[in-house]
Formats: sequence, structure tokens, C-alpha cells
Amino acid sequence: GEDVEQSLFLSVREGDSSVINCTYTDSSSTYLYWYKQEPGAGLQLLTYIFSNMDMKQDQRLTVLLNKKDKHLSLRIADTQTGDSAIYFCAEFDNFNKFYFGSGTKLNVKP
Amino acid sequence: DAGITQSPRYKITETGRQVTLMCHQTWSHSYMFWYRQDLGHGLRLIYYSAAADITDKGEVPDGYVVSRSKTENFPLTLESATRSQTSVYFCASSDSGEQYFGPGTRLTVT
Repeated sequence: GEDVEQSLFLSVREGDSSVINCTYTDSSSTYLYWYKQEPGAGLQLLTYIFSNMDMKQDQRLTVLLNKKDKHLSLRIADTQTGDSAIYFCAEFDNFNKFYFGSGTKLNVKP
Repeated sequence: DAGITQSPRYKITETGRQVTLMCHQTWSHSYMFWYRQDLGHGLRLIYYSAAADITDKGEVPDGYVVSRSKTENFPLTLESATRSQTSVYFCASSDSGEQYFGPGTRLTVT
């Protein structure tokens, strides 16, 4: 399968910005996603970006895509304690399959 | 609007027993997926289905069987459960590239 890599942990202070990074290998990805998983819950789709876009902004969330470097990032502005969760990056390929990273655990300190 | 549901939410079974995990979606999405989530592995695709009566293997299909006689249901069966199948199982459905997850089933095999 395709390789989607994320760092495992990120710790920030409440009110700061968080940046979660992801790299992927499949150059034919059509969509790239960010999901949020809170403890004991399923994955919640946060936002996604088409592979022909560079940036997408949705309220406090900004997604940046560098297609040349196969690098995706999620910036959360004004991070709150309620943002503490695991964030998964995922890509969707031309064969209708999703590939997920291992997840980044975001810890927001008050 | 129920969305996507899974049952049971928790299950404890013994090695060698057959177990079926149920997944039901109300959106009439074409695609449905089964993942397992284990520490250190993120989500791994077990099986997916593009439509009723069409299923295909994912990354880790061994020991699992699926069927899709109706668009809305996608049951996953462990034919003879093993301890290595202790995991959290997520069902998902998608249409037009957006994938939505059920709440998960936590399965323990003793």
C-alpha cells in the first residue's frame, strides 16, 4: 500500500497555533484528508483538499498542500483544550482506496 | 438521520469462535470499508466494497470474511477468532471521495 507518515506527538499551549505535518508517497492521490479522533470515538472528517489545490481554509483550520514534496499540513489557529485528540492524515487514490497515517496525538496544555 | 452505525460496540469472545460485526449506513453510499485500528499501526484496511455484491481485499484480509448483499449493510466475520484479532474495528462509507466512520467496535479475543 501507499506510505503516509506523520509524527506521533505534538504538544502546544492553549491559544498557540498547532501545525501537524504529513508526508505521502502516492503522486496520483486525488484527495487528501484530515480526520480527528477523540478518545473512545470514531474518526471525524475535519477537512479535505483536492490534489490540484495548494491551500484550503475553513475557520480555524488551514490545510497546505505541497504536491512537489508530497507534504500536507494542518494548521489549527488559537488551539483550544477541546482540540486535544489524535489527528489522522489520509489520501485517496485512483483505485478508490484510502490510506491513513498512524496519527499525531495533539496535547493542548492550559 | 442515523448515518453509519456499528454493532455491537463491545465484544469479548474466545479464541476459535466465529464473530460477526455489523455495519449499517443510511446514506446509500456506494463504497463501504472495514478497518482495524491498533496502537502503532494507525488504521489498516481489511476489506472494502464498491457496491452490493462487489468486495475486495485490503491490506490485512486474512482471517476475515465480508459480504454485501444490500447496499446499506456490510458485515465483517471473523471465522475463527485469534488473539491477534483483538482490536478496534471501524466501518466507513463513502461517496464522492468523502469517507465517514462509524463509532467502532472494540473486540477482545481471550
